[in-house]
Amino acid sequence: GAVVSQHPSRVICKSGTSVKIECRSLDFQATTMFWYRQFPKQSLMLMATSNEGSKATYEQGVEKDKFLINHASLTLSTLTVTSAHPEDSSFYICSARVGGYEAFFGQGTRLTVV
Amino acid sequence: DAKTTQPTSMDCAEGRAANLPCNHSTISGNEYVYWYRQIHSQGPQYIIHGLKNNETNEMASLIITEDRKSSTLILPHATLRDTAVYYCIVGGYQKVTFGTGTKLQVIP
Repeated sequence: GAVVSQHPSRVICKSGTSVKIECRSLDFQATTMFWYRQFPKQSLMLMATSNEGSKATYEQGVEKDKFLINHASLTLSTLTVTSAHPEDSSFYICSARVGGYEAFFGQGTRLTVV
Repeated sequence: DAKTTQPTSMDCAEGRAANLPCNHSTISGNEYVYWYRQIHSQGPQYIIHGLKNNETNEMASLIITEDRKSSTLILPHATLRDTAVYYCIVGGYQKVTFGTGTKLQVIP
């Protein structure tokens, strides 16, 4: 199947700093990518839809100024958590769909804000 | 997207078939049924999808009732590596919205 790669897999940052997470589609072009957040023992929550060459669409309750999404190319979307705080500590996952059917997910990024 | 209902958890003996049910009574005519699973601390993995007909691939079989209001994912010979949370999702071609899923524990 198609491969979606995330980097880094784990990151620890100090409170108040910003962290960038990359999501790459390795063997296909993705005009749309999706960003999710998952807290411990909870399901994945969709944060935003990332569209190549245009602004991201954020789900209700997600702060667009805090979670900056850039989708500058057909193979790369980035999520920047700005001024991170301990409550932003979570598992962040990106995905892309191929052919409109199955979605492929990255391996996730474990963010810990200390 | 239509809402789905799944049991919170299930156990299955290793080597036996695991049958995971899903109710999606409000599914509309053009919505697909998708199954994904998430092994602990990893990104979700696509398993299978279908519209009306039953489907089978190398991982699993998907049985969809004739009225499309429910479906069953079948793992024919469960192994310990199949222990995961299984998500049944109904939708179209865009965003995938996850419910709470079924935590499947495969027991030796």
